[in-house]
This record gives sequence, structure tokens and C-alpha cells, in this order.
Amino acid sequence: GAGVSQSPRYKVTKRGQDVALRCDPISGHVSLYWYRQALGQGPEFLTYFNYEAQQDKSGLPNDRFSAERPEGSISTLTIQRTEQRDSAMYRCASSSPGGLLGSTDTQYFGPGTRLTVL
Amino acid sequence: KQEVTQIPAALSVPEGENLVLNCSFTDSAIYNLQWFRQDPGKGLTSLLLIQSSQREQTSGRLNASLDKSSGRSTLYIAASQPGDSATYLCAVKGYNFNKFYFGSGTKLNVKP
Repeated sequence: GAGVSQSPRYKVTKRGQDVALRCDPISGHVSLYWYRQALGQGPEFLTYFNYEAQQDKSGLPNDRFSAERPEGSISTLTIQRTEQRDSAMYRCASSSPGGLLGSTDTQYFGPGTRLTVL
Repeated sequence: KQEVTQIPAALSVPEGENLVLNCSFTDSAIYNLQWFRQDPGKGLTSLLLIQSSQREQTSGRLNASLDKSSGRSTLYIAASQPGDSATYLCAVKGYNFNKFYFGSGTKLNVKP
């Protein structure tokens, strides 16, 4: 694949609904990050995976947010019982810290999913 | 918690001018620092990554420097062009955590 892809690109949902955001990283990338970005701000860390293991979820705002990467490739960020304050751009990035791909921890970002909760 | 600050928040320069964007961070125990470019409605594109053992990195008209002791990095853009107009973000990664902390960015406008 060319780069990191995310789907859907736009998601409008009603308050109280659950949403699932998908990230497909660059093939072979070990590390996968989820971020949330508010308008005019930099991305804010949510969670991080190495292969299928969730190494750090300290940035998830509350227990309505969860993420998984069951086979060490595609990842899903799920938000349950959405609230209006969850509206934001959700971004995914992947990287490969050394190894065969020779990267030096450079992060490659997807285009993001714009979530709007009405 | 690591705090990353970018000054100025916005910058407008005429084409051809050399310019410097600033990034400061509060915890000097960083693993690396990365500069990104973000275009409206698009994702972030990595420009340069500086490891903690390095003092600078160069790519074309871009030069990024790192001074860990003072908690600062600068991105120097030579001979700016209208196509350089974008928001520039810096992000730091520490030894004790794998997360990246981002600044709020500097929005650059290069006028023809």
C-alpha cells in the first residue's frame, strides 16, 4: 500500500451512538498511534500499539474510548455512547523503529477521520 | 508531563525570505524530535527527524537544529516560496514514554 489509510473520512453521528474508526497502516510497520486533533491545535496522543500489543493507552480520555489491533496490522478506535465533546479529527500514524524497513521512528500519518457528533 | 510550545502561532513573509520557526519543550530527556508540515484538510507530512544525539538535520531548503540542554529546536527555511505555506508542527518523544507530544504549530503564509 502507498500510505496510511483511514476510514471513514467523515462520520456524522447522533449523541449516544457508538462509532468505529479504522486505520490501515503502512504494510510492515510495527508501531501504530492514534491521536485526536482539535481545530488549531496539534495532535493529542490517545494510544499506541507495538504489533498487536497496546503499549500505552494513557491518552484515552475515559472508558468510552477503546482501541484494538488484533492481528498487528489494522486497528480500530471505538467510541461508545458518543458525546458532542468527542467531535474532532481522529488521526492514525504508523512507524517502524529500525529493522528491515530502516526507518528511524519517522511517523507517517493518515488523512484522518472527521467525527461530528450532533 | 512534556509541554511543547511553538512561537509564533502565525507568520507571514514575502517570497524569498529566510525564516526561522521555533519549538521549545520542558523536559530535555527526549529521544527524538520531529518536524511536520500540515496542509489544510490533509494529513501531516514528516519533514525532518532529529535523534537526541544529533544537533541538526538538513533536507533541501530545510534545516532543523536541536539544543536539548535549553529545550529548543528551530526549523530554518531558506528562500521561502508560496508553496511553503502550511502549518508546521514539532513533536517530541521521550525516553520514558513512547508517545509523541505535539506543539500547536506555526501557521506560515508566504506571499508571492
